[in-house]
Amino acid sequence: DGGITQSPKYLFRKEGQNVTLSCEQNLNHDAMYWYRQDPGQGLRLIYYSQIVNDFQKGDIAEGYSVSREKKESFPLTVTSAQKNPTAFYLCASSMGTSSNYGYTFGSGTRLTVV
Amino acid sequence: EDQVTQSPEALRLQEGESSSLNCSYTVSGLRGLFWYRQDPGKGPEFLFTLYSAGEEKEKERLKATLTKKESFLHITAPKPEDSATYLCAAVSGGYQKVTFGTGTKLQVIP
Repeated sequence: DGGITQSPKYLFRKEGQNVTLSCEQNLNHDAMYWYRQDPGQGLRLIYYSQIVNDFQKGDIAEGYSVSREKKESFPLTVTSAQKNPTAFYLCASSMGTSSNYGYTFGSGTRLTVV
Repeated sequence: EDQVTQSPEALRLQEGESSSLNCSYTVSGLRGLFWYRQDPGKGPEFLFTLYSAGEEKEKERLKATLTKKESFLHITAPKPEDSATYLCAAVSGGYQKVTFGTGTKLQVIP
């Protein structure tokens, strides 16, 4: 079955530590996205990529970095510069390069600062 | 600034009690209105896309409708398994910006 796989499901980060969240898709979708979800807020876009080796900042990119070396993979690194990283992180993909096709989401990674 | 507002924040229904969820949007040039279902600890799951005022789409007990200012998700005779958070999102403008609402948490009691 095609889909998006996010790992790990739960991640704990110490102060000053960088962590990387994995996102892999086998849907052959061109576009991939990272969103952050906090209680009482709508999903907020961190980064997106429409083609391999290219990505764009979203609304809340500070303290995050991404890479897109393969079509299937779009990992997100939460750096120590992100002051409030505790949140639920969602990876998504869409057919073509248009968000108008709608998203397929992964099952999420819950990141907690300890 | 583009805005999407969902109401109510939470809704508790008895099994079989029909109701509607509201999604009001203020965006520049709506390209599409999406509904998603999200179960606790999971990613959202796509339900519907609506593109123009007057459009309706149905899936089992759910029907989504769209006007020029809002969208409704009608739930007919809900069952406990319909309990989830329902999110709407508006795609707008030439750059196809996506704006999500904060969701309506639906609980259906047997």
